[in-house]
Amino acid sequence: EVQLVESGGGLVQPGRSLRLSCAASGFTFDDYAMHWVRQAPGKGLEWVSGISWNSGSIGYADSVKGRFTISRDNAKNSLYLQMNSLRAEDTALYYCAKSTSWNGALFGNWGQGTLVTVSS
Amino acid sequence: QLVLTQSPSASASLGASVKLTCTLSSGHSSYAIAWHQQQPEKGPRYLMKLNSDGSHSKGDGIPDRFSGSSSGAERYLTISSLQSEDEADYYCQTWGTDIMGVFGGGTKLTVL
Repeated sequence: EVQLVESGGGLVQPGRSLRLSCAASGFTFDDYAMHWVRQAPGKGLEWVSGISWNSGSIGYADSVKGRFTISRDNAKNSLYLQMNSLRAEDTALYYCAKSTSWNGALFGNWGQGTLVTVSS
Repeated sequence: QLVLTQSPSASASLGASVKLTCTLSSGHSSYAIAWHQQQPEKGPRYLMKLNSDGSHSKGDGIPDRFSGSSSGAERYLTISSLQSEDEADYYCQTWGTDIMGVFGGGTKLTVL
């Protein structure tokens, strides 16, 4: 069974940094692209960033480009999101999502999310 | 620009059927999409991939009550024999170049 467990969320002041992690199990992690998707309170889903199986292809939403960095460690079956220069509008539940292919953005499995609150 | 458009809300009676619509932006009518369900206070769940020809492949454990179809730039999710647990937000999603994902705004389904 595919399991995706996010961690690292919390309350952080504007301008500070936070690093999210996603621990994956139940599948061959380095066969699949992985993504971060977020949901602001009461709002819809927003794709944040994605990374291909070997980190050769990486993409970001315009809203986070230059501030967030996605990475993965295939030896540890883990996905990361380094978030710098955080803003109030980054407040959201952040989901880890597994693609159905090595480089695509069709989300076949989801985690339960980790909450990030940016506030002074 | 690749955009997906969904109606904000829909409603149908218990035991009835409902058809939700997702419209692809101009020039993107050949794109496949995915449907995802998000029940209240839960994470999203993948329902199916839906191709432009109407063929679809469902995720593990998705009941036969859920089906998809296509017409031009429109992609549909039909839920038959509505149950109370089908009350949820439904999102369509597609993908562009450079490993980019795109979501529609979501449709809130109320089961009456």
